[in-house]
Amino acid sequence: EVQLVQSGAEVKKPGESLKISCKGSGYSFTSYWIGWVRQMPGKGLEWMGIIYPGDSDTRYSPSFQGQVTISADKSISTAYLQWSSLKASDTAMYYCARFRAEYSSGWYYFDYWGQGTLVTVSS
Amino acid sequence: QSVLTQPPSVSGAPGQRVTISCTGSSSNIGAGYDVHWYQQLPGTAPKLLIYGNSNRPSGVPDRFSGSKSGTSASLAITGLQAEDEADYYCQSYDSSLSDNYVFGTGTKVTVL
Repeated sequence: EVQLVQSGAEVKKPGESLKISCKGSGYSFTSYWIGWVRQMPGKGLEWMGIIYPGDSDTRYSPSFQGQVTISADKSISTAYLQWSSLKASDTAMYYCARFRAEYSSGWYYFDYWGQGTLVTVSS
Repeated sequence: QSVLTQPPSVSGAPGQRVTISCTGSSSNIGAGYDVHWYQQLPGTAPKLLIYGNSNRPSGVPDRFSGSKSGTSASLAITGLQAEDEADYYCQSYDSSLSDNYVFGTGTKVTVL
């Protein structure tokens, strides 16, 4: 069974750093992209970026390039999303999800999702 | 501001059929990129509902169906049930920006 288990909720102050995690199991972690998706309170889904744990190839949404860093440690089947200096506007639920890139059919979608990590940034 | 536009809300009585539209442009759906749909039940993570315009993952009831035409796509729910009350999002690829796997604006389905 494919599972993505995310780290727990975080409460941080503006300016602090943070790294949240997403551990995959039940499939070959190095053979599929992992993506991160933001959902601000009461709002919709926003694609942030994806990483291929097999070679750490990383792509960012233009909206999030330079704002966050996505990484992965394939030895422990875990992907990460990190901030160097949080802002109040980073308050949101963050989901990781397995990303299917089927080039032959032109399908690019998220097939399995983690439970989400709520990040609250407040002074 | 998403490039895929959905109606903010749709509603229907139990047993009825509702449809949700997802309107794009020539740089995404109209360019031939396929559409995928997700269901987000209250307080839970999104779940893949439809992929490749009209394919259902294992376990998704056949009450849910998808289609695509021109620059738009649609999700239909037939035989609406109380447990279908959720937010629904479409998603596709947009070629106007590099690697942009965009989501739609989202639609709240209310079962009356």
